Amino acid sequence: EVQLVESGGAVVQPGGSLRLSCAASGFTFDDHPMHWVRQAPGKGLEWVSVITWDGGTTYYADSVKGRFTISRDNNKNSLYLQMNSLRTEDTALYYCAKDRAKFGELLSFDYWGQGTLVTVSS
Amino acid sequence: SYELTQPPSMSVSPGQTASITCSGDKLGDKYASWYQQKPGQSPVLVIYLASKRPSGIPERFSGSNSGNTATLTISGTQAMDEADYYCQAWDSSTAVFGGGTKLTVL
Repeated sequence: EVQLVESGGAVVQPGGSLRLSCAASGFTFDDHPMHWVRQAPGKGLEWVSVITWDGGTTYYADSVKGRFTISRDNNKNSLYLQMNSLRTEDTALYYCAKDRAKFGELLSFDYWGQGTLVTVSS
Repeated sequence: SYELTQPPSMSVSPGQTASITCSGDKLGDKYASWYQQKPGQSPVLVIYLASKRPSGIPERFSGSNSGNTATLTISGTQAMDEADYYCQAWDSSTAVFGGGTKLTVL
């Protein structure tokens, strides 16, 4: 059974930093690209970032480019999101999601975690 | 930046067919996916590659994509299908979601 468990969400002040983690199990982690997707309270889904199977390529939404860094440790079956210079508009539930495709392709998000809540407030 | 447009809400009677549209420039040239999200739950993939169903998704869910519009069709809609539905596509290695459609079954 595929499981994705996020952690690291917290209340942080504007300008602060936070590191999110996602522990994956139940599939061959290093076969698949992995994503972060967020959802502000009462709002829709917003894609944040993706990292390819080997960590060699990353892409970001314009709204987080230069502030957030995605990474992965295939030895630990873990995905991370380093969030710096946080803004109030970054307040959201952050989901870790597995890509259905393998290796270099990007397709769709076939498994999602339960999310971890990040609140940016003074 | 690329945008996907969905109707904010729609309603359907039980047993009827619901068709949720998603519009974007040359969307038919891209692979559209659809997600269902019920209150308090994580999204679930219901359609990928425009028309393919993941295992475990009921046959009443189907998808199509042509021109500038992708469509999610739910045939014989059931009360359990009441949820928010989001379309998604890729543009220049960036994933884009539509704003979501709240489907009410009444």
